[in-house]
Amino acid sequence: AQSVTQLDSQVPVFEEAPVELRCNYSSSVSVYLFWYVQYPNQGLQLLLKYLSGSTLVKGINGFEAEFNKSQTSFHLRKPSVHISDTAEYFCAVSDQGAQKLVFGQGTRLTINP
Amino acid sequence: DTAVSQTPKYLVTQMGNDKSIKCEQNLGHDTMYWYKQDSKKFLKIMFSYNNKELIINETVPNRFSPKSPDKAHLNLHINSLELGDSAVYFCASSPTGNVFDEQYFGPGTRLTVT
Repeated sequence: AQSVTQLDSQVPVFEEAPVELRCNYSSSVSVYLFWYVQYPNQGLQLLLKYLSGSTLVKGINGFEAEFNKSQTSFHLRKPSVHISDTAEYFCAVSDQGAQKLVFGQGTRLTINP
Repeated sequence: DTAVSQTPKYLVTQMGNDKSIKCEQNLGHDTMYWYKQDSKKFLKIMFSYNNKELIINETVPNRFSPKSPDKAHLNLHINSLELGDSAVYFCASSPTGNVFDEQYFGPGTRLTVT
């Protein structure tokens, strides 16, 4: 069965600094990978997803993620963050052929001015 | 226009009561989901319906009963509420139910059981 580990529960960064949110997964088969963002008091919103092809995936709001099969990772990056990026970020995985997403525990990104 | 809406937004109730949460999507999607987010922000699927048919039924106490009167609505009824049911419940929808589809989430219902 698949599982997801987000290695950092909280990440504080200064505005305009780069950020990386780490995600590792375990699965015995090929997977689909996702990053969702949850702004305060809102539902989740898709940032980006990896299904196949290029391992570097670009998403909304300047975020990107890189699929690394050998390291079973799918880390999320942004070169320069803004105050508005303050949110909870969730990594999710699904085995190809499965019917459900399995979410990580979330990483709270806090941007300091 | 709200794509996925839930009512109520907040629900405070006592142990032993029965309550319902309603969800509606106006996206024309075939599949709807219920997720539970606990106090540690851990998000886990409870149920999914595709065109009114139950597809996923995770290990959820049978006090929880989803009902889908049509493919635009998925309601969640909870009997005999317990303290451990306190959580934020999210409804979501996706176009076809394929796991690679984007899921569209509602704003959540914060349930507090006292």
